[in-house]
Amino acid sequence: GENVEQHPSTLSVQEGDSAVIKCTYSDSASNYFPWYKQELGKRPQLIIDIRSNVGEKKDQRIAVTLNKTAKHFSLHITETQPEDSAVYFCAASLYSSASKIIFGSGTRLSIRP
Amino acid sequence: DGGITQSPKYLFRKEGQNVTLSCEQNLNHDAMYWYRQDPGQGLRLIYYSQIVNDFQKGDIAEGYSVSREKKESFPLTVTSAQKNPTAFYLCASSRETGVTGELFFGEGSRLTVL
Repeated sequence: GENVEQHPSTLSVQEGDSAVIKCTYSDSASNYFPWYKQELGKRPQLIIDIRSNVGEKKDQRIAVTLNKTAKHFSLHITETQPEDSAVYFCAASLYSSASKIIFGSGTRLSIRP
Repeated sequence: DGGITQSPKYLFRKEGQNVTLSCEQNLNHDAMYWYRQDPGQGLRLIYYSQIVNDFQKGDIAEGYSVSREKKESFPLTVTSAQKNPTAFYLCASSRETGVTGELFFGEGSRLTVL
């Protein structure tokens, strides 16, 4: 079955700098890669997702890149702000069959003022 | 007010007792999921259901059971066979039909086994 590895487990960046979180997946059939953000004490929420027919997707300060050959994808947050502090989870799934979604172990991002 | 509701929010049980966590959604979503969240281990899939009266095991189904008798409800029973049941449990649903889409999570249930 699918296995998703996520790095780093913790990340601290200066406010205004960029943050990058990386994930690798094992099942070459996976073609849907969402990212979820979980603020302290709150439920996870989808922030961006990408399907394997594109290599990059951007939404304001966040972007996701996908390398299907290498089976890895990354989340990029630019101009970080205090409200970006949270735990971020990557995930992988097969888009076409409403199948199970497998998550990475999470990255705790802290933004230093 | 549409959403996904989990109850109870906090639950304490003695070792050896079964416990059922409730998950109800009024979003008319077909797919529902149960995840377990432990520190440093992310979200691990316990069970998922794509349609009423059907469900599949996730990666850590041992010691858990579910039912899906109604579209809006997907209760999870943590049985005495689950070796380490103390955890935070998250229920989710997805509005997409036939494809994998955005998960909408409940607020979670924290189970502590004494």
